[in-house]
Amino acid sequence: EIVLTQSPGTLSLSPGERATLSCRASQSVSSSYLAWYQQKPGQAPRLLIYGASSRATGIPDRFSGSGSGTDFTLTISRLEPEDFAVYYCQQYGSSPPYSFGQGTKLEIK
Amino acid sequence: QVQLVESGGGVVQPGGSLRLSCAASGFTFSSYGMHWVRQAPGKGLEWVAFIRYDGSNKYYADSVKGRFTISRDNSKNTLYLQMNSLRAEDTAVYYCAKEMGFGELNYWGQGTLVTVSS
Repeated sequence: EIVLTQSPGTLSLSPGERATLSCRASQSVSSSYLAWYQQKPGQAPRLLIYGASSRATGIPDRFSGSGSGTDFTLTISRLEPEDFAVYYCQQYGSSPPYSFGQGTKLEIK
Repeated sequence: QVQLVESGGGVVQPGGSLRLSCAASGFTFSSYGMHWVRQAPGKGLEWVAFIRYDGSNKYYADSVKGRFTISRDNSKNTLYLQMNSLRAEDTAVYYCAKEMGFGELNYWGQGTLVTVSS
């Protein structure tokens, strides 16, 4: 099973700043089957990025994903107040079991 | 629009059973794989189970293998999770989710809370 490790655990930034979140896999993720989700308190997760770099429907272009193999990054170019949330990466390569990272909490500084 | 509505959560004693349902609408249910994902209170997301669009293949996390069974009724547009031999560590909000095609989850239900406690 592929283990995903996200860093940092908590990221403190101000609106307007750039956020860089990391997701590292214990082994290569096939075909870049890596997704990113945003979750706000009391809500279900929302798909942001799939295939490592494709934005899901309706996701603003300030969100971007990059990476391949074992190292992936979610970048938020200019933070808006509504972007402060918890972010999870997920690998879904080849066949299950799939797995999520432990999450990065993005908080207002 | 796509809607996923879970039901069946509640309080159950250790060793007990519960069946969750997820009613789907707004898309061709029989064309998509479906997943269950859970989240323990204050914790992260844990993938639980997956069933292919036609029910031909099912996969489980090691933590639930042999105790949980995922199934679907495409005539009723409904996904199920039968949970047996429940443990305290199964306490979580359980979400059903639709995949786009390869395992990326583009629609989620609101979740249903399962509490395993004596």
